[in-house]
Parts: sequence; structure tokens; C-alpha cells
Amino acid sequence: DQQVKQNSPSLSVQEGRISILNCDYTNSMFDYFLWYKKYPAEGPTFLISISSIKDKNEDGRFTVFLNKSAKHLSLHIVPSQPGDSAVYFCAANAGGTSYGKLTFGQGTILTVHP
Amino acid sequence: KAGVTQTPRYLIKTRGQQVTLSCSPISGHRSVSWYQQTPGQGLQFLFEYFSETQRNKGNFPGRFSGRQFSNSRSEMNVSTLELGDSALYLCASSEGTDTQYFGPGTRLTVL
Repeated sequence: DQQVKQNSPSLSVQEGRISILNCDYTNSMFDYFLWYKKYPAEGPTFLISISSIKDKNEDGRFTVFLNKSAKHLSLHIVPSQPGDSAVYFCAANAGGTSYGKLTFGQGTILTVHP
Repeated sequence: KAGVTQTPRYLIKTRGQQVTLSCSPISGHRSVSWYQQTPGQGLQFLFEYFSETQRNKGNFPGRFSGRQFSNSRSEMNVSTLELGDSALYLCASSEGTDTQYFGPGTRLTVL
């Protein structure tokens, strides 16, 4: 039972354009959502998060949108840079005492071409 | 602040052996979580310790165990290693109610 799904295994974007990565979830108890960037054989690097009481959060080039009714979130990267090429994971937890238990999607490989 | 550190970074063991991995969280963080990453299963939650108590547990067999010390450092142990335990083991720390920050991981190979 995959509670967090990233249906696009890969995404290819031209430098300077927008990258949009999508994530769907099924567990209505999820309360806090995060995006991480990961390189092979390294630990994930935190990018941005959003609480379920918000529908948008921005941090520099990164914006996360949350649509609770559709159980869908997306990460927008504008403008995309070659250094953004990595695997992106969305993750969720149910808040409260479950903050320490993240459920991850399968990841999307982003390639930004110069 | 220094980030999350994990030791060792690489480990090779044989089937049937046991292994202990160590994680030092960011200073001031009381929560430490452990994850396993494999090509087939992705990133899966193992367990979380908060103030020396196991607060959450994932769906892994009892061969996987952990503990947390009073200085918040954590260890995880895998007994009777199987080939399928080969993975990248990641540790993450947080203040307990927000974002988790990950270490570089320990790459375990079981032969």
C-alpha cells in the first residue's frame, strides 16, 4: 500500500524553465509534507515543507503547493538550473507524535539541460 | 551547527553476522529516525527514538533494533544479516516536531 506516490519517474527540463514535480497521497491523516533532493549514495537534503493548514509555501526558487481536497502536492522550481539535477522525493507525516515517521514517495529524477 | 553524522560510511559483512551503525544528531535535536533505502523498496522508515524512548516503529522484522543514549546519539543493530539487508541506511534528526535533517548514510553490503 503506497501511501505517497510520485507517478513520474523522470522529468527533463531546459535550463531557465519551470520544473514541476508532482506527488499524490492517500492517507488523510497526513499533516505535514516535505520535499527532499537526493544524490546517489548521499543522504536527502531538505528543500521545503508545508503544513496542511496552508496551501502554498515559498522559499527562493522553490514553491510547494498543497491541494488537500485532491490529496495532491507539487513542487515548482523557477528558474531551473543544471545544479538542480537530482532525485526529488516528497514525504509526509501524520504530525503529533508521528513527526519522526516519514513516508516517502518513490522519487522523480529531474534532469535540467543547459 | 554541525550536521548529522553517521559511522561507518561503508561496511561489508557476510550473511549471519550482525552489525551496529551509529548516528550523532544535530546538537539540540532529541529525535533520531532511521530509514533503509534499497533500489526495489525505496526509502522505508525503520524506527524513531525520542528522548531515549522508541516513539514510532516501521514494518521491519525484530532483527532490526535500535537504541538512543542520553546525549541523543543513536545506534541501530541488525542481527543475523541476510543478503536483502544490503542497503543505504540513513539517519535523520529533528527537534521532535518538525523537519528531519538527514546524515550521509551508511552503505551496508552483505555478502
